[in-house]
Amino acid sequence: NAGVTQTPKFRVLKTGQSMTLLCAQDMNHEYMYWYRQDPGMGLRLIHYSVGEGTTAKGEVPDGYNVSRLKKQNFLLGLESAAPSQTSVYFCASTPFPDRANYGYTFGSGTRLTVV
Amino acid sequence: AQKITQTQPGMFVQEKEAVTLDCTYDTSDPSYGLFWYKQPSSGEMIFLIYQGSYDQQNATEGRYSLNFQKARKSANLVISASQLGDSAMYFCAMREIQGAQKLVFGQGTRLTINP
Repeated sequence: NAGVTQTPKFRVLKTGQSMTLLCAQDMNHEYMYWYRQDPGMGLRLIHYSVGEGTTAKGEVPDGYNVSRLKKQNFLLGLESAAPSQTSVYFCASTPFPDRANYGYTFGSGTRLTVV
Repeated sequence: AQKITQTQPGMFVQEKEAVTLDCTYDTSDPSYGLFWYKQPSSGEMIFLIYQGSYDQQNATEGRYSLNFQKARKSANLVISASQLGDSAMYFCAMREIQGAQKLVFGQGTRLTINP
C-alpha cells in the first residue's frame, strides 16, 4: 500500500543506548518530517528535509540526528537515549506543493520508551 | 514564528449535538494553510479538513466544516450531528506556504461524545 511506513512500531531502550528509526515513503514526496508527541500534547517538529541530501533542525532537535541519503527514506537517530526522549515519534511527508496537492501523509508512529 | 492555540483541553458533548472546537493562530505570512486532524485512541493521524488563507469560502467535508474568520485569526472546527466514533483528540495545525512547508500543531482538544 502506498504511504509512509515507520519501523519499528515499538521499542524499549536503556538509557545511553542508540537506535535509528526508519521512515520510508513510496509517493515520491519531496518533503519529509520527524515529529515527537508527548502525552496529552501536540506534535513538535524535530528535524525535516526538503529533498534528498538535505536536512534541517526543527523546534526540538537536541539529542537527535537525521539523514536523507535517498529520497524515499528519512532516518532519525538517537545517539545516546535519555528518559526525556520517551515519546511517540511520527514521520510525515508531503509533495512539492500546489493547490491540488497539499496534504500530508503520516506514518502510524513509533512508540519509544527509554528506561 | 507561527503559532497555533487550542484553548479547550477537553470537551464533553451529547451524541447527535453539534460541537465547535476552537483554534486561533498567529502568523505574519500572508499565505498559509490550516488543517484539522483527528487522533483516535489507536494513535494514527487522520486528516479531516483543509482551509487555504486565500480561499473565499469556508471548507466543508461531510459533517465537518471549518469556520474561518481571517480577521480574527480563528479557524474553528464544527462537527455536526456528533457520533460516538467522534471521540478522539483533535489537532489544529498551520502550514507555512513558503519554504519547507512545515506543519505547526496546537496542543489539541480531547473530545468525548456521551451517549
